[in-house]
Amino acid sequence: DAKTTQPNSMESNEEEPVHLPCNHSTISGTDYIHWYRQLPSQGPEYVIHGLTSNVNNRMASLAIAEDRKSSTLILHRATLRDAAVYYCILRPSTSGTYKYIFGTGTRLKVLA
Amino acid sequence: DTEVTQTPKHLVMGMTNKKSLKCEQHMGHRAMYWYKQKAKKPPELMFVYSYEKLSINESVPSRFSPECPNSSLLNLHLHALQPEDSALYLCASSQLSPRGRSYNEQFFGPGTRLTVL
Repeated sequence: DAKTTQPNSMESNEEEPVHLPCNHSTISGTDYIHWYRQLPSQGPEYVIHGLTSNVNNRMASLAIAEDRKSSTLILHRATLRDAAVYYCILRPSTSGTYKYIFGTGTRLKVLA
Repeated sequence: DTEVTQTPKHLVMGMTNKKSLKCEQHMGHRAMYWYKQKAKKPPELMFVYSYEKLSINESVPSRFSPECPNSSLLNLHLHALQPEDSALYLCASSQLSPRGRSYNEQFFGPGTRLTVL
């Protein structure tokens, strides 16, 4: 199973953009890139996912490198409620299994 | 209803006890999952059920016994646990395509925090 590498922690000021990087150099051509976040005392929640093209939704944007060996989750304006652990996950699309292998995650601290 | 509920929220048990964790969803999802999460670590997959049948067991010790009695309910039966089994146990669910592959989003419950004395 392909693995992801993320910085242990990052800090951001409130209302500023945040770029959370993820390296996945062993990604295969059919792996989807998923991002989840886990707020304190809660289960993980879905943020966004993509395959090759950049993606936007109401929560965030996902920028995927052309070689797909890295990606960046972009929070356009961080709020205090965005303080969480952010996980970058690769999900195979062809194996028929439903496994998420969570990386170590990035703990995001948002400063008021 | 886009919620996965888990009971109990907290559980303390001795090594000789038998207890069960319960997970419920009413989103019509046909894939359900158990994860284990130790403090300050990412969740680790334990079991996956697809159409109420066990499809993945990540080499979990037999003192953990999953059960999926119907499409909305997932149980995890616990027996003779060890103190190192103390962790947050997360349940999740997702849709399945007609060919049995998961759709993209897993919905997680808030977890049961288990302490084994």
